[in-house]
Amino acid sequence: GAGVSQSPSNKVTEKGKDVELRCDPISGHTALYWYRQSLGQGLEFLIYFQGNSAPDKSGLPSDRFSAERTGGSVSTLTIQRTQQEDSAVYLCASSPGGTFITGELFFGEGSRLTVL
Amino acid sequence: QQQVKQSPQSLIVQKGGISIINCAYENTAFDYFPWYQQFPGKGPALLIAIRPDVSEKKEGRFTISFNKSAKQFSLHIMDSQPGDSATYFCAARGEGNTPLVFGKGTRLSVIA
Repeated sequence: GAGVSQSPSNKVTEKGKDVELRCDPISGHTALYWYRQSLGQGLEFLIYFQGNSAPDKSGLPSDRFSAERTGGSVSTLTIQRTQQEDSAVYLCASSPGGTFITGELFFGEGSRLTVL
Repeated sequence: QQQVKQSPQSLIVQKGGISIINCAYENTAFDYFPWYQQFPGKGPALLIAIRPDVSEKKEGRFTISFNKSAKQFSLHIMDSQPGDSATYFCAARGEGNTPLVFGKGTRLSVIA
């Protein structure tokens, strides 16, 4: 596609359930980022992939959060045993070669997660 | 620990007025300072960016002013329009391949 695609756009789940959020980056973009946007908290960095490897996982808030990327393309963010504080918009972004090279991130529209 | 501090949280400006949003940082290794614009239901999009070797960059009605010694930078929107109503995020990039760190955002409302 022309832009970064995320699914689902909205997800409502019950506390304790696992959720998977998917990101399909712009074709050819080697760098992929996950951010979390909570009300009043701005954009919180979660994890970064260069190709299929994740050199920076420093932002993952707990071991309930994990992410993988396969084939240098699609990425999945998994949240296990969801808690109410996990409710947020999860944004995925991609760039041609990491921010070091180009500086610009291209964001998807996000996946809004609500944990009841 | 917030690496980029942004103010104000919200801003209301009359149509035709100047909108000013400020950001401050501590890490002197930051070498790239973009501003992102986000409309409701959309992802943020790059608006304008500056590197620390220049003090100002202008693109149309949008200007970044950068003060390296004070470790501050700001976004000025001249002749603000209702279509500029959005949330604006400042950001900074550290050394190497580190991801962008963002401020908490400013919700701008331009009223007619």
